[in-house]
Amino acid sequence: DTAVSQTPKYLVTQMGNDKSIKCEQNLGHDTMYWYKQDSKKFLKIMFSYNNKELIINETVPNRFSPKSPDKAHLNLHINSLELGDSAVYFCASSQDPRGSYNSPLHFGNGTRLTVT
Amino acid sequence: SQQGEEDPQALSIQEGENATMNCSYKTSINNLQWYRQNSGRGLVHLILIRSNEREKHSGRLRVTLDTSKKSSSLLITASRAADTASYFCATDKETSGSRLTFGEGTQLTVNP
Repeated sequence: DTAVSQTPKYLVTQMGNDKSIKCEQNLGHDTMYWYKQDSKKFLKIMFSYNNKELIINETVPNRFSPKSPDKAHLNLHINSLELGDSAVYFCASSQDPRGSYNSPLHFGNGTRLTVT
Repeated sequence: SQQGEEDPQALSIQEGENATMNCSYKTSINNLQWYRQNSGRGLVHLILIRSNEREKHSGRLRVTLDTSKKSSSLLITASRAADTASYFCATDKETSGSRLTFGEGTQLTVNP
């Protein structure tokens, strides 16, 4: 009964490849996020979707494209992978921010991406 | 420097001792949250304190917020080895929506 699940847990790939990370939440939340955590554990928001609508898009290279087929899923596709993309990517969800701006985030366990 | 800076970066204590971690931030906030991250896992929400609150408790956790100093502290009392983790503060300055800005975390090690 995992609340926020993301796959795969580990992803090792070569530069130039395209890869996807999937995320699903069963909490009934309206908002989902992608965060990137670097090697120093610094966590930075990348994207946020509310009910399939993009509401936050930080300065992320357009090689990164989020896709939300429904409000329970938010996938992250990365084109032309670069060495600097190596990090841990976390999916998270929260209740509707427009109604509950104080909602805490629920995180998945992360996907460790290594680009060689 | 980043919004939400934790201090110290690392803290090592003995089981049973109290652990105090501090967080400073730069801009006005709507709320401040503390999260814990165990090695290889996602972040887990611990406690949320709103800008009009000064102190909150949850079990062995006590969080204070001083908006005049733009700082917060997390106190873990009677620490246990299982409390070993990284602790992050995160600030949210949005009045609608949620855009958390995380600090760099404090690595807490509780020695048995």
